[in-house]
This record gives sequence, structure tokens and C-alpha cells, in this order.
Amino acid sequence: DGGITQSPKYLFRKEGQNVTLSCEQNLNHDAMYWYRQDPGQGLRLIYYSQIVNDFQKGDIAEGYSVSREKKESFPLTVTSAQKNPTAFYLCASSPSSGTYGSPLHFGNGTRLTVT
Amino acid sequence: DQQVKQNSPSLSVQEGRISILNCDYTNSMFDYFLWYKKYPAEGPTFLISISSIKDKNEDGRFTVFLNKSAKHLSLHIVPSQPGDSAVYFCAASAIRGTSYGKLTFGQGTILTVHP
Repeated sequence: DGGITQSPKYLFRKEGQNVTLSCEQNLNHDAMYWYRQDPGQGLRLIYYSQIVNDFQKGDIAEGYSVSREKKESFPLTVTSAQKNPTAFYLCASSPSSGTYGSPLHFGNGTRLTVT
Repeated sequence: DQQVKQNSPSLSVQEGRISILNCDYTNSMFDYFLWYKKYPAEGPTFLISISSIKDKNEDGRFTVFLNKSAKHLSLHIVPSQPGDSAVYFCAASAIRGTSYGKLTFGQGTILTVHP
């Protein structure tokens, strides 16, 4: 079964520590995305990558970093510079380099709690 | 700057009746619109989409209407079922410009369908 795997489902970290969220897809999709969900704010785009070895900042990239060394993988690092890191993080992918005409497929998310 | 807005945080409907979820957008470059459904602790799943060359798209119990002049779209669910209870997100993208290659989401509307 093809899909997007995010791990772990729940993650707890102390303030000041960097943490990396995993996202792997076996859909052979070119484009991958990271969104963050907060109550009442919907989904906000953090970073996206349309092709291997390339990525762009989304609307709320500050305090985050990504890499795209392989087509299947798009890990997100939440750094200590991110002021409000506690949130539900969603990874997504789409077949083409743009989302026009290609709905995003989402993973089941990682809930990060930083105390 | 919220480019996609869902002004109703919640909607409660009786089973068998019609559910109407609304969405407004401000970016005139948006030309492709999608609706996603999300259950708690899961990723959103694609429901239905519409491009700007159409004003209506239907898929079973779900119909999306687009009014470009008003920059407004709506999702109709008829008849509503208890299993439809979820958060519904409206999203938009563009074939060109700064919104190319990414989806912009609304805040979501919580739909509750009572038996």
C-alpha cells in the first residue's frame, strides 16, 4: 500500500532542544510539503519541495529547517529558535511539481509537545 | 493576511438534512479550489475540487459551488450522515504567481451531524 508515513505519532521535547520529524512517502511523488495545524488557524505551510535537492520557504518557515536528499524523504527539524513549537505537524506530497490539478496526500501527522 | 477564510468555526446539522459549508478567498490569482475532510489525530483527506473554469462540481452526496465574482465557494452535503462529522478545510492554489506550487488553507469548520 502506497502512502505517507510520519513518525513518531507523539513526540515530547524539552525547550531549547532541536527535534527532527520524519516523513517518508512511497508514492513516487515529486513534491512534498510540511504544514502545521494550530487550533483556529487551519493549516499553515512551513516548507515545500518540488524536486530533490531543492526546497522553498512557506508562510511560517522561521525556526524550521528541512532537507530533501532523497525523493522519498523530507525531514523537518524544529529548532530552538521556533518560539511556539508545540503543534500538530502534517507532511504531504503530490505527484507533480505544482499542486494545480493534483490534490495533496497527507500523512497522519506528528503531535509535538515542547515543555 | 488570511487569503482563504472560513468564517463559521462550527456547524450543527440533523441527519438527512443539507450541510452547507462556506469559504471566501481574497487572492484573485487562485484558480483551483479543494475541500478536505479531517478527523482528529489524522491527516486531511481530499474530498472534492473545482477549477475556476467551472461553477459547479458534483461527486455523489458532495457538491462544490464556485462564485468567482464574489470570490466565494461552498460545499453542500446532501443528505448529511453522522459519519460526515469532521473538520472541513477549504484550500486554494494558483497556476502561476506566488501561490503556484502550494495550497493555502482556511481555518476549518467543525461539522457535527446529529442522528
